[in-house]
Amino acid sequence: TQLLEQSPQFLSIQEGENLTVYCNSSSVFSSLQWYRQEPGEGPVLLVTVVTGGEVKKLKRLTFQFGDARKDSSLHITAAQPGDTGLYLCAGRTDKLIFGTGTRLQVFP
Amino acid sequence: DAGVIQSPRHEVTEMGQEVTLRCKPISGHNSLFWYRQTMMRGLELLIYFNNNVPIDDSGMPEDRFSAKMPNASFSTLKIQPSEPRDSAVYFCASSLGYSGGSTDTQYFGPGTRLTVL
Repeated sequence: TQLLEQSPQFLSIQEGENLTVYCNSSSVFSSLQWYRQEPGEGPVLLVTVVTGGEVKKLKRLTFQFGDARKDSSLHITAAQPGDTGLYLCAGRTDKLIFGTGTRLQVFP
Repeated sequence: DAGVIQSPRHEVTEMGQEVTLRCKPISGHNSLFWYRQTMMRGLELLIYFNNNVPIDDSGMPEDRFSAKMPNASFSTLKIQPSEPRDSAVYFCASSLGYSGGSTDTQYFGPGTRLTVL
């Protein structure tokens, strides 16, 4: 069974702090995506990384795909209350396997 | 353009009753996915269709669950009979390409929150 473990499971921080979320697996993925989900809504795609070692930046968010394409990280700089939500990584083989999720709350 | 549309948004039913969840994918999309989300198990893929044909239903929990896609613009997920452990949020998603595409984007609907008493 393919499993994507995310850590931490919960994160509660003050506005302005930095944070990193990790997504780990023993499986190799052809690509990896990060989604953000807000209460009462479906997940929304943030980024797709394809190449091992690839780094993508989206404003204050930095995404990295591990060299072996088994793991990924999401780093947020100077978090804001608008970053609050559930962050999901998803690895692709013949289908998309979602991670266990990291629930982030940013307090003003 | 309208996104993925799901109905109803909330459903409360009693154990043993039949439940039907509905989904209208984004026009022109070729793949449709049904997911279930719970606190304990996270987001799980139940079944997906390519060009209205079911491709992988290995995530369907048991025979009480069935899904159909009679045409490119409509799909249903049916639970009969429903049980309290089926309580969850059910999401429908669609994508332009086929599920094997390495960079394909899935667009999710708002979900149906199902409560089985």
